[in-house]
Formats: sequence, structure tokens, C-alpha cells
Amino acid sequence: KNEVEQSPQNLTAQEGEFITINCSYSVGISALHWLQQHPGGGIVSLFMLSSGKKKHGRLIATINIQEKHSSLHITASHPRDSAVYICAVSTHGGSQGNLIFGKGTKLSVKP
Amino acid sequence: DTGVSQDPRHKITKRGQNVTFRCDPISEHNRLYWYRQTLGQGPEFLTYFQNEAQLEKSRLLSDRFSAERPKGSFSTLEIQRTEQGDSAMYLCASSLDGGHEQYFGPGTRLTVT
Repeated sequence: KNEVEQSPQNLTAQEGEFITINCSYSVGISALHWLQQHPGGGIVSLFMLSSGKKKHGRLIATINIQEKHSSLHITASHPRDSAVYICAVSTHGGSQGNLIFGKGTKLSVKP
Repeated sequence: DTGVSQDPRHKITKRGQNVTFRCDPISEHNRLYWYRQTLGQGPEFLTYFQNEAQLEKSRLLSDRFSAERPKGSFSTLEIQRTEQGDSAMYLCASSLDGGHEQYFGPGTRLTVT
């Protein structure tokens, strides 16, 4: 079993829909990251959070430490949101930085 | 500063050849990470540096792989005697320090034929 699991693996939505991507993890973490990866490979960090909720524009990330679960929400989705969304965790311990990644959720938003 | 840069962006090589990739982090960042990503998978940690010191290496980093960050600025990742299984996207990231947000480069896509 992977230490970081994401669901769904693939998601197709119509423009304007509310989207939720889920992430569960099984290790102790110091922080959870949501990343966006476009075709061609470039990765952009969307959020880094260790508790509660963060919002940036149409994106919202929440984390429940007790349940070891995080969600990424996209409101009023748009075709330009189409990308792979990756959940990653920083673990406790000496390195305090190298990330363990989920496999990603491929989102396609249709106009 | 334009962010993390990697060179080359694409590399095609024949099995058995050596290849070297370069990563230039954001200038004030002390931490530099190397990750590998195969098709359809999330990235996997390879190694990281705190300034010039290589502090951790994954078991994925076989003895054919070596990484350096000689002056605590840019880093190189060398793969000797490449194998087809080495074909992947090699990603570099940097951060101010441990526990801080990581900024990723565009990656180097390696194809071993």
C-alpha cells in the first residue's frame, strides 16, 4: 500500500463544476503539499499546509490531521484547470523536506 | 531570479552511455532535491543537499547514480552506464530550508534507447 493515496485517479468535469480531489496518507507528516503538473512536466506548488484550511483564488485546500486526510477543491472549474494534481507529504524526522508523492489525479475540464 | 532551471530539457541516449544533468536552484535556497518521475506515476525522491552536503540518498539511487553540489549552488546528477529503466523525467527542486515550500524546475526528460 502506498503511503500517499489519491482519489480519483482520473476526473472529467464540465466547465463551472465544483471539483474535489482527495488525499489520504499513512505516515506522520510535518506538512502536506498540493502540486499542479501540466503536460510537459513542470510542477507548481499550490498549497503547503499542516492544519486547517487555505484558500487561493478558486482553489481551497483542507486537511484533517486526526483522520490523515486532505482535500483539494476547485470552484467554478475552467478548462485551464486541466492538469495533474499531486498530493505530497513531508514526513517527520531528520530530513524534514524530501517529499513522498501520490500518483496524481488527472483532471480534464471540458468547455 | 527566474526560478529553478534544468539543463538539458530532453536527452536521448543509447544504453550504456553516461549522462549528466544540471540544476540551478533559486539563488538564496539552501536545500536542493532530485526526484525521478516515470510515466503515470508520482515523483519519487532520489537525494537532497543542504548547501554542499548530500544529506540523504534514496535506495533508488544505485551506485550508477551520483549527485554533487560542489559550491552549494548548482547541482549535477550523473547516471553511468544508462539502462532502459532509467528512462524518466528527472526533476530538481529547491527550498529555502527544510520544512519550506519547494520550487520545482521544468525537469529533464531522459530517454534511453
